[in-house]
Amino acid sequence: SAVISQKPSRDICQRGTSLTIQCQVDSQVTMMFWYRQQPGQSLTLIATANQGSEATYESGFVIDKFPISRPNLTFSTLTVSNMSPEDSSIYLCSGRGINWNEQYFGPGTRLTVT
Amino acid sequence: AQSVTQLGSHVSVSEGALVLLRCNYSSSVPPYLFWYVQYPNQGLQLLLKYTTGATLVKGINGFEAEFKKSETSFHLTKPSAHMSDAAEYFCAVSDPLEGGADGLTFGKGTHLIIQP
Repeated sequence: SAVISQKPSRDICQRGTSLTIQCQVDSQVTMMFWYRQQPGQSLTLIATANQGSEATYESGFVIDKFPISRPNLTFSTLTVSNMSPEDSSIYLCSGRGINWNEQYFGPGTRLTVT
Repeated sequence: AQSVTQLGSHVSVSEGALVLLRCNYSSSVPPYLFWYVQYPNQGLQLLLKYTTGATLVKGINGFEAEFKKSETSFHLTKPSAHMSDAAEYFCAVSDPLEGGADGLTFGKGTHLIIQP
């Protein structure tokens, strides 16, 4: 199995600013994903982080708002840009292992925008 | 497109009673199916999964689930609830035709409450 860590674990940010969330996996994963969990809601896939190329975004999410990088197999970042209170959520990083039918999740980053 | 329906946003059972959390899916092909648990202020932990083979799968913490293709269901059960089972439970699906390249589609979650 893979252990996934995220930094920061939580943050309180002002409207209009940006926050970059880091995701580190302790072993190689084939795919990395970013999810959003709005308060009291389920998880929604934001995008697939592709190594060395542009991320693949789901409907309703755009690169200008959520730029993503994945420079190598074990690290990815998600930036939440020009934040508004509606961006207050938990953002979770996920990795699919070599045994591809298992997907592991980080502890999440709890973001509050004031 | 795939979708997941979890019946009951909140389920309350007494300690020692049977736990039954319902999950139905909609998919053009039988998907891969997962149950995750989320404890307060924590990330998601995989309870169990079904990909192929035996339709009754056993997971951690005494949970099990049965894939029923005819009913498009993957309900989660545990014979005897424990106070530590109180958490949020998510059912999720993945498209086997994507070969692992797709993310998971989650249900809305079921909050399990254990009454002493």
